[in-house]
Amino acid sequence: DTGVSQDPRHKITKRGQNVTFRCDPISEHNRLYWYRQTLGQGPEFLTYFQNEAQLEKSRLLSDRFSAERPKGSFSTLEIQRTEQGDSAMYLCASSSQGARSPLHFGNGTRLTVT
Amino acid sequence: GIQVEQSPPDLILQEGANSTLRCNFSDSVNNLQWFHQNPWGQLINLFYIPSGTKLNGRLSATTVATERYSLLYISSSQTTDSGVYFCAVERGSNYKLTFGKGTLLTVNP
Repeated sequence: DTGVSQDPRHKITKRGQNVTFRCDPISEHNRLYWYRQTLGQGPEFLTYFQNEAQLEKSRLLSDRFSAERPKGSFSTLEIQRTEQGDSAMYLCASSSQGARSPLHFGNGTRLTVT
Repeated sequence: GIQVEQSPPDLILQEGANSTLRCNFSDSVNNLQWFHQNPWGQLINLFYIPSGTKLNGRLSATTVATERYSLLYISSSQTTDSGVYFCAVERGSNYKLTFGKGTLLTVNP
C-alpha cells in the first residue's frame, strides 16, 4: 500500500491554458474522489467515481472541467481555458467498497494560474 | 446543504496540554470523519466515527449523532500535532463529504 499518488505536485500555468492532473488511488480501492481546497477553507467536493463510472458531480465542476477514470484505475482531471479563480489545491482521495469507508487523500496538486 | 461548524477556529497550546475540538452539524448524518492536515498539506484520516467513541493513542473522538455534534480530544499534545483539524460529514448516499472550515492548532515547545 503506497498510498494515493498525485502528479504533478505543483503546476503554474498562464490563464487560458489547459492543464491535466493525474491521481493513482490505493490499488484495492474502487472509489475515487476529487476535491478542491482554497486557502483557509476546507476541501470542497468536485466529483466521485465508483470503478470507471462517474456517479456524482458538484455544481462547482463547470463545463471547463472534465474527469475520467478509464478502466477504473487511475483518474485524470482536466481544466480547459484556465482562469485565475481556478488557482487552488486539487486533492484526490480513494476509499474501499465497504459502506462509509474512510477516505485516504493524496498530497494534492497545487495549481497557480497567472 | 448541510452546514458544518468547527470551534475554536484557532488554538495555541504548550506541549503537554490537552485540548478539545468541536464539530457541530446542521442535520442528521450517516458518515462523519476527522482529518488532520499537516503543515505540508497532507490530509490524514484520524477517525471514521458517525456515532459513539473511538480511541487511537493520544487521540479520541466522540460523536453524539442525536445532538448533532462530535468532539475530538487530543491529550498530551506534541509539536507534531500542529496543523488544521477538519471535521467532514455526509448525509444521504451521494458519497460527498462536506467539510468544516477547520481548527488551526499550534503546539509550541
